[in-house]
Order: sequence, then C-alpha cells, then structure tokens
Amino acid sequence: SQQGEEDPQALSIQEGENATMNCSYKTSINNLQWYRQNSGRGLVHLILIRSNEREKHSGRLRVTLDTSKKSSSLLITASRAADTASYFCAFFSGGYNKLIFGAGTRLAVHP
Amino acid sequence: GAGVSQSPRYKVAKRGQDVALRCDPISGHVSLFWYQQALGQGPEFLTYFQNEAQLDKSGLPSDRFFAERPEGSVSTLKIQRTQQEDSAVYLCASSLAPGGFDSPLHFGNGTRLTVT
Repeated sequence: SQQGEEDPQALSIQEGENATMNCSYKTSINNLQWYRQNSGRGLVHLILIRSNEREKHSGRLRVTLDTSKKSSSLLITASRAADTASYFCAFFSGGYNKLIFGAGTRLAVHP
Repeated sequence: GAGVSQSPRYKVAKRGQDVALRCDPISGHVSLFWYQQALGQGPEFLTYFQNEAQLDKSGLPSDRFFAERPEGSVSTLKIQRTQQEDSAVYLCASSLAPGGFDSPLHFGNGTRLTVT
C-alpha cells in the first residue's frame, strides 16, 4: 500500500505551459525525491530536497517542500512534448531502506 | 555497464511455473532494491539488500517470493508457483550509499512478467 498521494492523477497541457504536480505524505521524512518514468522504462531520479530545505531548482524544475503540511510540489516550466511521462514523489518510511513511491501523475504535453 | 541491467525484458509464464528475474546493478553500488509495479500504479517496495545482506524483505507478498544477492552484486528475484496476480513489472534499483538514504536510486528498465 502506498503512503503517498499525488495530485492530479493525470494532467494534459500544451507545449510551453507550466505543469504543477503535488505530493502529500503521512510520515516524518528526512528528504523527498522526485522521479520520472517514460512509458515502458525504469524510473529516473530528478531531484532530492531535504527536510530543512523549502525550495530547490534544477533547470526547468522547481520543487517545494512544506513539512508542516506534509506536502511537496514539482513545477515544470515551459514544458516540452518530451516531458510527457509519469512523475512520482518518493520518501523513506519505516527506516532508511524502504523508499515509498506515490501513485504518480501522468503528464501529457501536446505539441 | 553504465546502468542497471535487468533480464529478461519480458517473461511469459504459465500459472504454476517458477520464474527467475535477474538484476545487474551498477558496479560498486552497495544498496539494491526490488520493486513491483502494477499497470498505472507507483512502484511497491519488495525487498532491500545492503551488499549481500537482505536487510528488509517486508514487502515480499508471500513465501513464494524469494530474493538473493549472494556476492553482493548480481541479484535474482525468484517467484515460485506463479499466480495471475503476480503479473506486473518488476523493477530493480541500486544506489551508492547504504540504505539508499540521501543517494538517488538508479533503476533498470524492468522485467514485465505475464502469468497466463
């Protein structure tokens, strides 16, 4: 069973628009990670944000973390068709060897 | 190799057959994880190895599932007497740090298992 929830489940936008995905969790965390998965492939690590950080940037990606609300968001700016994929948040739970994933947001970017 | 390699890429098994799925992690990576991913869902944790030691197997769904990593590198996930509900993509991931904590996981492309 998942301990993380992502919102929305699916998102469809036009190229050039921004895409925002949200993640909520229930446990205390030391860090939260975001991964991307193209259809039929494995997951690729995008960014890690520590619990003492509020915001982090990597290229067109911006991640925020609000530990008081137990939530995080991933913003992709100026989206491209190649950004079409599923995006998952992940965090450690029950010890530092069990990385738990949310159910993911399926992003479709149309040219 | 440069990344995590899994084989076979696809596996079709008749119900009741045993299957073995292989994972070659990135060389030198201490941590190895197995996940199960159903269609349209996020990966579900199965088990974790630190070198050759299986430190967490709490996610294995039944005693038909068995994983090993005898020399601390290649790992095999074995499923005995496969059932239709075992149909899923099985993902392997490795990371440099013990426990994977603070260190990103590197995933293979998975093995898609279909039980008929």
